[in-house]
Amino acid sequence: AVQLTQSPSSLSASVGDRVIITCRASQGISTALAWYQQKPGKTPELLIYDASNLKSGVPSSFSGSGSGTEFALTISSLQPEDFATYYCQQFHDFPLTFGGGTRVDIK
Amino acid sequence: QVQLVESGGGVVQPGRSLRLSCAASGFIFRSYGMHWVRQAPGKGLEWVAVVSHDGRNKYYADSAKGRFTISRDNSKNTLSLQMNNLRAEDTAVYHCAKDVRIEAAAQDYWGQGTRVTVSS
Repeated sequence: AVQLTQSPSSLSASVGDRVIITCRASQGISTALAWYQQKPGKTPELLIYDASNLKSGVPSSFSGSGSGTEFALTISSLQPEDFATYYCQQFHDFPLTFGGGTRVDIK
Repeated sequence: QVQLVESGGGVVQPGRSLRLSCAASGFIFRSYGMHWVRQAPGKGLEWVAVVSHDGRNKYYADSAKGRFTISRDNSKNTLSLQMNNLRAEDTAVYHCAKDVRIEAAAQDYWGQGTRVTVSS
C-alpha cells in the first residue's frame, strides 16, 4: 500500500501566518492526492483534489501543489476558523490511504 | 443540497455482524462512486471501501477484505456495508462519502457517521 507521511504532525501558528503542510508518498502517485480539513467533533471536508484543484466554495487562501511523491498544502494567511487537523489522501492505487494528519493549533 | 445519512451502528459482540446503510439525496446517486471511511476514537481517518457508480467495481482496505461487503442500490439511492466477524479494532465512527467521480478519487461530501462499538 502507498504510505503517506505528513509533516509536521502538529504545529502552532498565529492568525495571519503562512502555513505549509507537506505530504510525502512512498511511491509516485502522479497528482492523485486530496487534502481534507477536520475540525474537532466535525466531519472531514474536502479542500483540494487532484493535488491542486480547489473545491468550489473553499477559500482561495488554501492551495495545493506537487506531483509524484512530494505534495504541499499551503494556507496563505491563517484565519481563526482554519485551526483544525488536516489530512492528505492518495487515490492513485488501491487501497486508498490517508496520511497521519497535521494538527494546527493556535500559538 | 447533498445529504448523506448513515444508520445501523450500535454495540455488537466480537465475531458478530452488523449492516450499515447510507441514504443519499441531493445529487444523481448513480453517477458517482461511493465510499465508506472510518475513524476510531481519537485516531485518524481510515478508508474502508469504495463501490463504483454502477456497482460493478468494489475495492477494500486490507483490514476489510474478506469480512466486509460494500454494495449499492441505485434504484433506492442507498449505500450499504455488511460487516461480518467484527473485531474490537473495528470500533469506529463509519462515514459514507460521495466521490467526485464515477469510481475512486476524492470524497467531496461526507455523512455525519454512525458509531460502531465492538465489545463483549
